[in-house]
Amino acid sequence: KNEVEQSPQNLTAQEGEFITINCSYSVGISALHWLQQHPGGGIVSLFMLSSGKKKHGRLIATINIQEKHSSLHITASHPRDSAVYICAVWRPQGAQKLVFGQGTRLTINP
Amino acid sequence: NAGVTQTPKFRILKIGQSMTLQCTQDMNHNYMYWYRQDPGMGLKLIYYSVGAGITDKGEVPNGYNVSRSTTEDFPLRLELAAPSQTSVYFCATRQGQNYEQYFGPGTRLTVT
Repeated sequence: KNEVEQSPQNLTAQEGEFITINCSYSVGISALHWLQQHPGGGIVSLFMLSSGKKKHGRLIATINIQEKHSSLHITASHPRDSAVYICAVWRPQGAQKLVFGQGTRLTINP
Repeated sequence: NAGVTQTPKFRILKIGQSMTLQCTQDMNHNYMYWYRQDPGMGLKLIYYSVGAGITDKGEVPNGYNVSRSTTEDFPLRLELAAPSQTSVYFCATRQGQNYEQYFGPGTRLTVT
């Protein structure tokens, strides 16, 4: 079993829908990243969280340390949000290395 | 600031050839990382460095070598390229106890 599990693996939605991507992890962490990768593109860090909630524009990320769970929400989704979203965690032990989820492929249709 | 730069952007190698993927950062970050991303797959750590002169293996180091003689540069050397090394290679950095990771644009490598 992977230490970081994302769901769903694939998600297709219509423009304007509210999107939720989930990340569960089984280890203690120092911090959690949400990353975005467009097809054929580079990797961008959307959020880095160690507690609570963060918001950038239409994107919101939350983390519940006790539940070992994080969610990424996209409000008023747009076709340009189509990308792979990756959850990754820094462990306190061996804190030099990120542990990655398998990614969620999001497609927003106009 | 350029952030993290990688060269080349694309490269095609023949089996058995060697090459060096370059990674340079201008943020004075002490941690640097090399990842590979195979088609349709997640990121895997090849090597990382916690500072100049210090490197360590990640999950998939076989077939690669690294060096870190300066804070800015972290080149990845492929010796005797194999088709299994066809991948996109990403370099990334991080500064100390700040867990924010910064990625370079990637190098797309094909070995035929």
